[in-house]
Amino acid sequence: GAVVSQHPSRVICKSGTSVKIECRSLDFQATTMFWYRQFPKQSLMLMATSNEGSKATYEQGVEKDKFLINHASLTLSTLTVTSAHPEDSSFYICSAESGTGANEQFFGPGTRLTVL
Amino acid sequence: AQSVTQLDSQVPVFEEAPVELRCNYSSSVSVYLFWYVQYPNQGLQLLLKYLSGSTLVKSINGFEAEFNKSQTSFHLRKPSVHISDTAEYFCAVSDSTTDSWGKLQFGAGTQVVVTP
Repeated sequence: GAVVSQHPSRVICKSGTSVKIECRSLDFQATTMFWYRQFPKQSLMLMATSNEGSKATYEQGVEKDKFLINHASLTLSTLTVTSAHPEDSSFYICSAESGTGANEQFFGPGTRLTVL
Repeated sequence: AQSVTQLDSQVPVFEEAPVELRCNYSSSVSVYLFWYVQYPNQGLQLLLKYLSGSTLVKSINGFEAEFNKSQTSFHLRKPSVHISDTAEYFCAVSDSTTDSWGKLQFGAGTQVVVTP
């Protein structure tokens, strides 16, 4: 099946710094990618929808200036957490839609962000 | 907007015994329904989905789920589990209208632990 990778898998940073997370579709082109956030023992929460070559669409309550999303190519989307704070610590997961019309998303393994 | 409720956070089950994971949803519009599985240290993988047609859908590894519109449910079942079925299972729903194409609303997840 289609493979989506995320890098890094785990990152620890100091409060106030920015962190970039990459999401890549390895064997297919993804016109649409999604970014989710998952707190421990909780569900995945959709943060934003990213379409190649256009601005991301953010869900209500998600600060677009804090969570910068770039989808510059059909195989790469990046999420940058700017001026990270401890409350931003979470598990960030991306997914990519193959565009085949089957309404199937392929998920990355996730990135664990810890802000000290 | 939709919401998804997975009634059981954890389900312990013996090997070769049956298992049922419950999922209920609420929505004011027609929906697509999904079950995803997350094995330890891996990304979410699609297990099965209901888009239209037959209300009983099956996966290649023995799981099945039935869409019950009147009860707004999409319970997942397997008649005989294996140790390798130990994983977290997520029920998800998306609005079937074009505007919300691809946006998934997830349940909180059910941890299945299979023991010998």
